[in-house]
Amino acid sequence: DAGVIQSPRHEVTEMGQEVTLRCKPISGHDYLFWYRQTMMRGLELLIYFNNNVPIDDSGMPEDRFSAKMPNASFSTLKIQPSEPRDSAVYFCASSIYYYNEQFFGPGTRLTVL
Amino acid sequence: KNEVEQSPQNLTAQEGEFITINCSYSVGISALHWLQQHPGGGIVSLFMLSSGKKKHGRLIATINIQEKHSSLHITASHPRDSAVYICAVLAQETSGSRLTFGEGTQLTVNP
Repeated sequence: DAGVIQSPRHEVTEMGQEVTLRCKPISGHDYLFWYRQTMMRGLELLIYFNNNVPIDDSGMPEDRFSAKMPNASFSTLKIQPSEPRDSAVYFCASSIYYYNEQFFGPGTRLTVL
Repeated sequence: KNEVEQSPQNLTAQEGEFITINCSYSVGISALHWLQQHPGGGIVSLFMLSSGKKKHGRLIATINIQEKHSSLHITASHPRDSAVYICAVLAQETSGSRLTFGEGTQLTVNP
């Protein structure tokens, strides 16, 4: 298996634009997690899915953020409209079960100008 | 006060030294993760444990649930161990478990 795949690896956009980050989890993993990492706040869990259903989105910072998982092999994290304070590295991770080891994707470095 | 605190924040060692990184938490937990983040930014899960001790190669992780404390040990450290080590706990909440991260320990191993 290729591991967790994220795209794009780098994204530079201007304030106000819509940004869509993509993630393909490891096949057979029932859990998918979206994280954000910044220098100020470290790693934060934004949302996680179980069998494509959002379970806990309490970490999503505000309504500008939304996440979907239309099928077991694809998830998106969307920011609309983007703001400079959204600049961060966004990681996607997947696991077989919630209490199992998580496998992280390489991350998407987002810069909002 | 953070729910998860790591010490030290920064650690510099000479190759071959035995290294200990500590993680203390203030909430009830279901499990604890140790993660390694490489200088390039990639994150790897090292251990997930809820009791006792786990060992993988030169890495050992221990947890004491009663004392709310975990340690990550690296034996015979090597420059390639230089990375940020992050402790994360699955905090028990009334609505389930929530993953909460420590701020990380920056480890530098000099040759």
